[in-house]
Amino acid sequence: AQSVTQPDIHITVSEGASLELRCNYSYGATPYLFWYVQSPGQGLQLLLKYFSGDTLVQGIKGFEAEFKRSQSSFNLRKPSVHWSDAAEYFCAVGAHPGGGNKLTFGTGTQLKVEL
Amino acid sequence: EPEVTQTPSHQVTQMGQEVILRCVPISNHLYFYWYRQILGQKVEFLVSFYNNEISEKSEIFDDQFSVERPDGSNFTLKIRSTKLEDSAMYFCASRTTGSNEKLFFGSGTQLSVL
Repeated sequence: AQSVTQPDIHITVSEGASLELRCNYSYGATPYLFWYVQSPGQGLQLLLKYFSGDTLVQGIKGFEAEFKRSQSSFNLRKPSVHWSDAAEYFCAVGAHPGGGNKLTFGTGTQLKVEL
Repeated sequence: EPEVTQTPSHQVTQMGQEVILRCVPISNHLYFYWYRQILGQKVEFLVSFYNNEISEKSEIFDDQFSVERPDGSNFTLKIRSTKLEDSAMYFCASRTTGSNEKLFFGSGTQLSVL
């Protein structure tokens, strides 16, 4: 069965500092991996996704993620965090490049940004 | 960017009552989904819907749940007899097809069962 682990429930960083959010997955076949962000009162917004090719994926809002098959990881990074990045971040794995059916989510990481 | 719209944003109901959560997917999308998130837990897949029928459902989606696309624009989730454990945030989503497939989520309906 597929699963996603986000080991950090809460992370606090200072504005301008770098950020890395961890994600480990378990999946039997080639995974399709996603990062979503949820701001208060908003829906889940896709930041980026990986399904093949270059293992370093660029997303919106200056985020990137690196797929490491040997570590079953798909960590999200940003070199310099902005106060508006404060939100909850979800890693997900699925069987389809567009997401959709049976996306399996992690429990999320709540990011707080200190000014 | 196009949006998936969900109404209401908050719904409070008494245990045993029926609730209908409403969603308007993006107009040219063909695949529709419901997910839910119980407070403090993971976002979980409930059901997928395509071509006017359920294409897949999870074990959570039992006989108390049903989905419908009544008029070609709305996509609804009905819970027939709500239980306390149905309290959760319910997300609707719809998906494009083609070379740049993408899943769009709505902002959710917070359901509280008292």
